Amino acid sequence: DAGVTQSPTHLIKTRGQQVTLRCSPKSGHDTVSWYQQALGQGPQFIFQYYEEEERQRGNFPDRFSGHQFPNYSSELNVNALLLGDSALYLCASSKGAPNYGYTFGSGTRLTVV
Amino acid sequence: QKEVEQNSGPLSVPEGAIASLNCTYSDRGSQSFFWYRQYSGKSPELIMFIYSNGDKEDGRFTAQLNKASQYVSLLIRDSQPSDSATYLCAGVNSGYALNFGKGTSLLVTP
Repeated sequence: DAGVTQSPTHLIKTRGQQVTLRCSPKSGHDTVSWYQQALGQGPQFIFQYYEEEERQRGNFPDRFSGHQFPNYSSELNVNALLLGDSALYLCASSKGAPNYGYTFGSGTRLTVV
Repeated sequence: QKEVEQNSGPLSVPEGAIASLNCTYSDRGSQSFFWYRQYSGKSPELIMFIYSNGDKEDGRFTAQLNKASQYVSLLIRDSQPSDSATYLCAGVNSGYALNFGKGTSLLVTP
């Protein structure tokens, strides 16, 4: 049973560029959330997708956008990259409401130079 | 203002001892709480969840929730060096987002 898969694992981008990160949820899960984790910090909620719609959004600027596809996979897009966007981006999936917690993928390490 | 607070540590305990990790939260609307373990360079791994006042036990782990005091804790009995990691406490309010603390670093020494 495949868990949550994310790609790529590592990425280096230049300030001002755009990046797309991808996530496939665990089998049977229909909800995908994205988190940003800076070094030494806990993950910060970016947004959650359910039924191809953004269901909830955290305190992140519009440069951060996403999409969910009919097969429940998801993309996170970040435009006009800033140095401060350098972080581990985590995708988490669940079946409906998070009563039993989310399953996290291994993350994408984004470095902006 | 951060909604979930944890002591960043490091908390150092000898092998075989009980490790006690604590977390407080400010949002009284928080309904459920989760403890995740995160090894360095890895993703968070769910250890336990709790949503009722009292204790919940699973193997060597016990989660405790006191909603009146807005306090959540995780006890790890018979601590092992392999338990050395960062432990993240997270709450969920009426929405769907996990609100994480900064995490507590635990070091179990042989």
